[in-house]
Amino acid sequence: AQRVTQPEKLLSVFKGAPVELKCNYSYSGSPELFWYVQYSRQRLQLLLRHISRESIKGFTADLNKGETSFHLKKPFAQEEDSAMYYCALSRPYGNNRLAFGKGNQVVVIP
Amino acid sequence: GAVVSQHPSRVICKSGTSVKIECRSLDFQATTMFWYRQFPKQSLMLMATSNEGSKATYEQGVEKDKFLINHASLTLSTLTVTSAHPEDSSFYICSAKIAGGQETQYFGPGTRLLVL
Repeated sequence: AQRVTQPEKLLSVFKGAPVELKCNYSYSGSPELFWYVQYSRQRLQLLLRHISRESIKGFTADLNKGETSFHLKKPFAQEEDSAMYYCALSRPYGNNRLAFGKGNQVVVIP
Repeated sequence: GAVVSQHPSRVICKSGTSVKIECRSLDFQATTMFWYRQFPKQSLMLMATSNEGSKATYEQGVEKDKFLINHASLTLSTLTVTSAHPEDSSFYICSAKIAGGQETQYFGPGTRLLVL
């Protein structure tokens, strides 16, 4: 069964400092990986997916199959980045079912 | 675009009653919708996959007779919590995938259920 692990629950960083959220997964095949974000009092929304290989709001994430990781990074955190971040995995041809990690609460200190 | 709504946003009911939650895709058609449950400070747990015009697919450990899912149209899926009990109190979230589109799921705002 696929599993997604996000080790840190709460991450506090100062504005302008780099932020990295770790995500490791266990799946024997080639999954699709996503990062979802939930801002305060808002619904869950897609931040980025590994297939797109793009930077969204300054965030990037690289899929490392050797380390089975999909860490989320941003070089300079902004106050508006304070939110809950979830790493998620979907199996190709698996009916799009997502398995979520437990999430990281990011607090950016002004 | 790609907005998903849920109704109601919050519901309080007595133990033993049934509660229906609606999930609508407002500006797109969704052949597949998903129902999640989220406990406080926990992650989203997939309950079932709702397929338009066919039976829902439930995840292991989720009682299909307890959580009835109906996906009668391309824009509406309903989750009915039957004979609700206090342990069913939770945050229920739906998501929808654009028919024929990419794998991106668009999430509803969630429904807070409190069973007294």
